[in-house]
Amino acid sequence: TQLLEQSPQFLSIQEGENLTVYCNSSSVFSSLQWYRQEPGEGPVLLVTVVTGGEVKKLKRLTFQFGDARKDSSLHITAAQTGDTGLYLCAGAGPSGSARQLTFGSGTQLTVLP
Amino acid sequence: DAGVIQSPRHEVTEMGQEVTLRCKPISGHDYLFWYRQTMMRGLELLIYFNNNVPIDDSGMPEDRFSAKMPNASFSTLKIQPSEPRDSAVYFCASSPNYEQYFGPGTRLTVT
Repeated sequence: TQLLEQSPQFLSIQEGENLTVYCNSSSVFSSLQWYRQEPGEGPVLLVTVVTGGEVKKLKRLTFQFGDARKDSSLHITAAQTGDTGLYLCAGAGPSGSARQLTFGSGTQLTVLP
Repeated sequence: DAGVIQSPRHEVTEMGQEVTLRCKPISGHDYLFWYRQTMMRGLELLIYFNNNVPIDDSGMPEDRFSAKMPNASFSTLKIQPSEPRDSAVYFCASSPNYEQYFGPGTRLTVT
């Protein structure tokens, strides 16, 4: 059973379009992180959200943590080809150490020119 | 600053052979994590250390897998004997707080 479900699994869009990726769980997390991974490399941290309802913006990327701290979303405005990659959400907790992350299955995003 | 360093980047070995993966964490980071990534199962935590001490190894698949961290700047993940189902990308990550910094990974192929 996957603790963190991401949707969609695959997404292919044209440059300039907007998109939203979702990360859902039945468990409460102390914090949630989003990573982006490019082929042949390790995941790179984009953002950490801690407070329920928190919204963080990173240029064209907007991250939101659900009020109940069970879900999160990533919205990209005017996608660019450089946004292509595997997006992973990762929750800290709910069991074990707060340092221990459980990763979602990932969303493979392809932005076409 | 150098990031997390992993070696080798690629390893091809035959079933039954011993495989050792190496990791040098970022200096000053007191947590070190070993993950395995496959298409089927995604990114899975195998084991993690705090101040060189193993904290949770419940993700280690079976006794064929072992990990050590003899000092703050070096860790190894060993598979003996290796099996084809161990083929995956193995990542090491280090952390000073709640953020994890990943190495480039070792792609292991067991034939």
